[in-house]
Amino acid sequence: EAGVAQSPRYKIIEKRQSVAFWCNPISGHATLYWYQQILGQGPKLLIQFQNNGVVDDSQLPKDRFSAERLKGVDSTLKIQPAKLEDSAVYLCASSLFRTGSKEDSPLHFGNGTRLTVT
Amino acid sequence: AQKITQTQPGMFVQEKEAVTLDCTYDTSDQSYGLFWYKQPSSGEMIFLIYQGSYDEQNATEGRYSLNFQKARKSANLVISASQLGDSAMYFCAMRATLLPYSSASKIIFGSGTRLSIRP
Repeated sequence: EAGVAQSPRYKIIEKRQSVAFWCNPISGHATLYWYQQILGQGPKLLIQFQNNGVVDDSQLPKDRFSAERLKGVDSTLKIQPAKLEDSAVYLCASSLFRTGSKEDSPLHFGNGTRLTVT
Repeated sequence: AQKITQTQPGMFVQEKEAVTLDCTYDTSDQSYGLFWYKQPSSGEMIFLIYQGSYDEQNATEGRYSLNFQKARKSANLVISASQLGDSAMYFCAMRATLLPYSSASKIIFGSGTRLSIRP
């Protein structure tokens, strides 16, 4: 089974520029997550999709961050304009778990995109 | 508020010894799940073990076991016979409902414990 694919692996941009990250989840996984992990901290959930609908985006800075999951498969996360404090690893994860299901399932993570904003 | 607390920022353990990584959680949910992940220096997040809140037995997966004490709201990870390759960051995580009486949920993470194994 192919894992969660993310690209690019690394990105360096200047502040006020824009950047986009791409994620392809494991085939058949209904739920897709974007996490931000600042160096030395635990992952922080930015947005969660189930199929192509947003389940939770309460911690997404909506003035600069946006995300979409067209057709319930691939997803893109965009930052515009970037700030210095956006420097972090952006992790995409997917799981089989469906809201309301009694069966739990772990998150499967991609390798992440390391963003440096200068 | 739903929260995961890991109070040990870093630990050093001698190779072949057992080690316990602490995790406490706060939730008002009746049903929830607890996860442990390993993050080596290469950055990938590796799922280790899962415990459901209604599971009566502590979960085990090879050298990993989860010491689940529901009344104390703790879910400590125990690694037996530690190896050099166990050196990594370890994160405790919990599935928590988004709103009271809601079936929608999210997974929240603790701040992690950096485990270093000494040869």
